[in-house]
Amino acid sequence: EDQVTQSPEALRLQEGESSSLNCSYTVSGLRGLFWYRQDPGKGPEFLFTLYSAGEEKEKERLKATLTKKESFLHITAPKPEDSATYLCAVQAGTSGSRLTFGEGTQLTVNP
Amino acid sequence: DAGITQSPRHKVTETGTPVTLRCHQTENHRYMYWYRQDPGHGLRLIHYSYGVKDTDKGEVSDGYSVSRSKTEDFLLTLESATSSQTSVYFCAISASTYEQYFGPGTRLTVT
Repeated sequence: EDQVTQSPEALRLQEGESSSLNCSYTVSGLRGLFWYRQDPGKGPEFLFTLYSAGEEKEKERLKATLTKKESFLHITAPKPEDSATYLCAVQAGTSGSRLTFGEGTQLTVNP
Repeated sequence: DAGITQSPRHKVTETGTPVTLRCHQTENHRYMYWYRQDPGHGLRLIHYSYGVKDTDKGEVSDGYSVSRSKTEDFLLTLESATSSQTSVYFCAISASTYEQYFGPGTRLTVT
């Protein structure tokens, strides 16, 4: 059974204070690892897809990295508008198009 | 929201009544999905479709049925709503078996 664990559950940062969110996974043959951002009362917004260990992707202040067991979402010099819940999901080679999601990390960035 | 609409956006219904939620896309994507999101569980797949009239079960399909008679529409039906089906329901679409794009969600309360 595919499993995704995200940590911490909640993270509070000061504006400009860089940090990382963790996504640990167990999956039978990873096809892809996905990061989403979700604002309160809205649907998840796609951020990145990572396909293989060693891959990195960046978007503004966010950088996602992938190893064989986990992924990190690094947030550099965050701003209050980066406050949201960040979700990680995996897609296994045996699961077709289905995704398995973690429960998310709720990030709050204080000005 | 990548050309995805969900209706209704909010609904309150009584236990035992049938409920149908609609997802409509304008992207002509092949794959469509229904998820529910609950505190402590994250996003869980209910049913998905890989083409018109082609559907399959997800991990929490009991008590739910789906239909897809046109590429653009994917319906989720609760045959006889129960309080345990109170949740936020999200529709998602994808062009391939990789990243999915989510709609704005439907908040359903079963009293």
